[in-house]
Amino acid sequence: GAGVSQSPRYKVAKRGQDVALRCDPISGHVSLFWYQQALGQGPEFLTYFQNEAQLDKSGLPSDRFFAERPEGSVSTLKIQRTQQEDSAVYLCASSSTRGMANEKLFFGSGTQLSVL
Amino acid sequence: GDSVTQMEGPVTLSEEAFLTINCTYTATGYPSLFWYVQYPGEGLQLLLKATKADDKGSNKGFEATYRKETTSFHLEKGSVQVSDSAVYFCALSDGGGADGLTFGKGTHLIIQP
Repeated sequence: GAGVSQSPRYKVAKRGQDVALRCDPISGHVSLFWYQQALGQGPEFLTYFQNEAQLDKSGLPSDRFFAERPEGSVSTLKIQRTQQEDSAVYLCASSSTRGMANEKLFFGSGTQLSVL
Repeated sequence: GDSVTQMEGPVTLSEEAFLTINCTYTATGYPSLFWYVQYPGEGLQLLLKATKADDKGSNKGFEATYRKETTSFHLEKGSVQVSDSAVYFCALSDGGGADGLTFGKGTHLIIQP
């Protein structure tokens, strides 16, 4: 596609509900990142994929957060038993180059998650 | 760990005014430095970057110089336009660290006609 696409654009969940957020990276991009952006804050790194391999998940805040990219393209970020503190914008970014020190990131518009 | 500090917003200026958004950083190695911009309803976009000391990044009339001695990367523009209204994020990449990009909190810029 023309850019990184994320869906849904907005998600409202009740506390305790499970949610799944989808990212469609730019076709052919090997690197995919997830970031969490709380209100009034800058994005914070969650996890990194190179193709289908999750090479770094050090930023995931708890074991309720799980990400996958089984075929090396589309990625899903799943949050189990959502809590109010999970409310944030979740950003996906992709790149045609490899590596964590990645300077050529293309970001999606994000999914705004509100947990009530 | 790495960190980025940028000036709090919102910053409100009149059209054609001079803009400075301050950014300082803390990093253990020799990071690359970036400014990203987020227009309303859109994703983050890379505005400019600098990869080593004394490099100047520039794009769309914006400039920032990598100052290692002051650990700064201030964003400047000589004459702002209404279309520059957006949120600006300073960020660094420490060249192999485990945390991807480290972002500042963002500065909301409002340009009034």
